[in-house]
This record gives sequence, structure tokens and C-alpha cells, in this order.
Amino acid sequence: DTGVSQNPRHKITKRGQNVTFRCDPISEHNRLYWYRQTLGQGPEFLTYFQNEAQLEKSRLLSDRFSAERPKGSFSTLEIQRTEQGDSAMYLCASSQILGPFGETQYFGPGTRLLVL
Amino acid sequence: QKEVEQDPGPLSVPEGAIVSLNCTYSNSAFQYFMWYRQYSRKGPELLMYTYSSGNKEDGRFTAQVDKSSKYISLFIRDSQPSDSATYLCAMSDNTDKLIFGTGTRLQVFP
Repeated sequence: DTGVSQNPRHKITKRGQNVTFRCDPISEHNRLYWYRQTLGQGPEFLTYFQNEAQLEKSRLLSDRFSAERPKGSFSTLEIQRTEQGDSAMYLCASSQILGPFGETQYFGPGTRLLVL
Repeated sequence: QKEVEQDPGPLSVPEGAIVSLNCTYSNSAFQYFMWYRQYSRKGPELLMYTYSSGNKEDGRFTAQVDKSSKYISLFIRDSQPSDSATYLCAMSDNTDKLIFGTGTRLQVFP
């Protein structure tokens, strides 16, 4: 399977613990995005990378959140001191630029986080 | 007011019906428009991509964009029970982050 993969698929943690998620993009895609989705809502943008450079961060991304993409390949999203409000599906997408016609983002299966 | 508005449904139709899903938006700078399908507890799957105004057809799916009205639509012909899912519209003003609607839950019954 050459799609976007995410690990783990599910994570249950206690409030105050740190968690880390991993995303492996489609190999030829140079852009990688993180989104968060809560029940009954569409995904909300968190941050994105072009190669290894983090180009934009949403104001949703508090200082407890950090994302990295070393060497422009896989990416990790870490949440420190988790809170119950962090419970959500965390989605990763990678994209291919279509020249002047924009880009198409392909999503992974997501990591479902539950903070108790 | 949200940048992208989408009726959450649910929308329930019989098999074989034509389904119409819609989104409105407020940002006139949006020029890239997408429809994603999301099955329960799965990631969104790209269905249709449209740049600027016009229609695009792919099999049973047709996407329409009317930038003058800030209105986009997805039509599904000959709907099947396997089409039962949440349909998300998404859009962008340049080649980066997507702004999503809340999603419309569709149920196609046999």
C-alpha cells in the first residue's frame, strides 16, 4: 500500500501524559499536513511542512503541540501535558502540487486520541 | 459565521436516487474546491477536485462550482448503499491548507 500511513491508529492516555503520533506520507509528495477532527466537524488545519521546513502553524496549535519532519520524510506530532479537550482524530495528509492548478491532498487513516 | 457552511444532514435516500450535496462559502479568494468522502472512523478520501468555476464529471459523480454565488455542489447519480458516508467539501485560496465544511452524512437505503 503506497498511501499515507499513520501510527498508532488509536491511543488512550491519561490527562497530563505526553503522546507522539507518526505520519509517513506518499513517497514522492513534498508537502505534509496535520489536521484535527472532532466528532461532527470537518478537519481543522494545524500545521504543514514543505520538505523539512514548517511553513505555517494554526493558532489552534498551542505551545503544548510540536511537530517535526526531519529530513523531509516522515513527520511526528507531539502533544505534551495532554488535556481532555485534546481528544480528537488527528489526520495527516500529503500533497502533490499540480502546477498552477493547486494541489491534491491525500489523507491517512488518522490517529484517534482519547484523553481520560 | 463559518467560512464554509454545509448542512450536516443526515440525508436519507433510496437506492438509485440522485443525491445533491451543497456548500456555501464566504471567502471570494477560494479558487480550489474539493469533495471528500469519509466512512465512519476512517480518513477522508478525495473524490473530486475542481479549479475555479465550472463542472467536472467522474463516473457517477459531478462537481459544480459557481463562484459568483459562492456555492458548490456534488451530485451522485444512481446512488448505492456503499455511498453511505459523510461527504466533506473543502476549499483553498492558494496551494496550502484546506478549509472544510462540517460534512453531510448521507444514508442510501436498499
